[in-house]
This record gives sequence, C-alpha cells and structure tokens, in this order.
Amino acid sequence: NAGVTQTPKFQVLKTGQSMTLQCAQDMNHEYMSWYRQDPGMGLRLIHYSVGAGITDQGEVPNGYNVSRSTTEDFPLRLLSAAPSQTSVYFCASSARLQGTGELFFGEGSRLTVL
Amino acid sequence: AQSVTQPDIHITVSEGASLELRCNYSYGATPYLFWYVQSPGQGLQLLLKYFSGDTLVQGIKGFEAEFKRSQSSFNLRKPSVHWSDAAEYFCAVGRSNTGNQFYFGTGTSLTVIP
Repeated sequence: NAGVTQTPKFQVLKTGQSMTLQCAQDMNHEYMSWYRQDPGMGLRLIHYSVGAGITDQGEVPNGYNVSRSTTEDFPLRLLSAAPSQTSVYFCASSARLQGTGELFFGEGSRLTVL
Repeated sequence: AQSVTQPDIHITVSEGASLELRCNYSYGATPYLFWYVQSPGQGLQLLLKYFSGDTLVQGIKGFEAEFKRSQSSFNLRKPSVHWSDAAEYFCAVGRSNTGNQFYFGTGTSLTVIP
C-alpha cells in the first residue's frame, strides 16, 4: 500500500525555470492538497481539490497551478520559479471529513530555487 | 477566518517528564481537530483526532489530547516523554462545509534531554 507518493524528493531550479511536482495516491481519496512548509510558518495550503475536475486556491496560491484530471493524481506546477518558492512541499490526501477524515501525507519534496 | 495558534515555538523537557503542548483555534462551528508529528526529514504522521463525543481522545505513542470548547483549546499531553518523542508537532483544524480544508498551526519543536 503506497499511500501518497511524491516525486521528485529533491530538485534544484534556476530562477524562471518551470517544473512539475508529481503527487499520486492509491487510496481513492476525494480530497487532495498541496502545502508548503517554511521555517517558523508551519504548513500553508497552496491549492486543494475535492474531486476530479475540481480545484481551488488555498492561502498561498500565487505562482502555482494545479489540475485534477483523475482521482489519483494532483500535480503542482511552477510556471516561472522564484527564490521565494524555495521550500519543502507536501502533498496530502483524505477521504471525506466525516469519515476517517485525517490527512495522509507524502514524504515531501525539497525545492531550491537559485 | 479559521486559525490555529501554537504559542510555544520550542519546548525542552527531560526524558521521563510530562509534556503538554498547547493549541488554540478560531473557528465558527464545531471544529475537527488533529495533532500531527513530524520527525526530521519526514512527512507528517497523525497522532490523534477529535470529531465529536468524548472530549479526551487517545492517540498513538501514548499521547492524548483534550478538547475544551470553552477555551477553544486542544492541548496535547503525554505523561512520560521518551527521547524518541523529539520532533515537530503540529495542531490542525479541518472544515467540512467546503470540502476537507485543513489549517495548521506553526508547530512546536520538542527537544528531549537525557
């Protein structure tokens, strides 16, 4: 049972480059989300999705795009990377809140933008 | 707006001593509350959760938390800390009316000294 799988685990980009962080879950969860974690700021929600074809912005969406074409996959795209996007990114999924509800996290992707 | 406050950025306790990590939330309805733990370089793991019912909830690794509506608090406790408990702890609140949106506190870093 893989759970939530994120790739890559590490990435170094130059300012202005684009890239996609991949996230896949095999638990048939409706809800998927992306967070960034920065020292002293905890986890901040970037984008989330409550099902295939449905996405919405979180607290810090600027500079990031998402799509949800399948239940399993929720990629995060950086169109033009900036040094302020240097962070650790976590993908998380959950079933409906009234059920088990809790978030299941991937292992994280550490991104450095030079 | 929803918010989660963890007033203690860093706590140091001796091994075998008791532990209490504080969490306060701001939310207009009955919250769904969670505590997560993050070991260095790892993703987040659920310790315990509160949805309804008994306000004292038991979690993994000997942790417990108590929901106090009058104080808008959900403090995490452990009677006797082990060196392996050294980690970052995050409190989170979830919403149900717009899907599974979760908000995290900024975290409390726990150091355990022999």
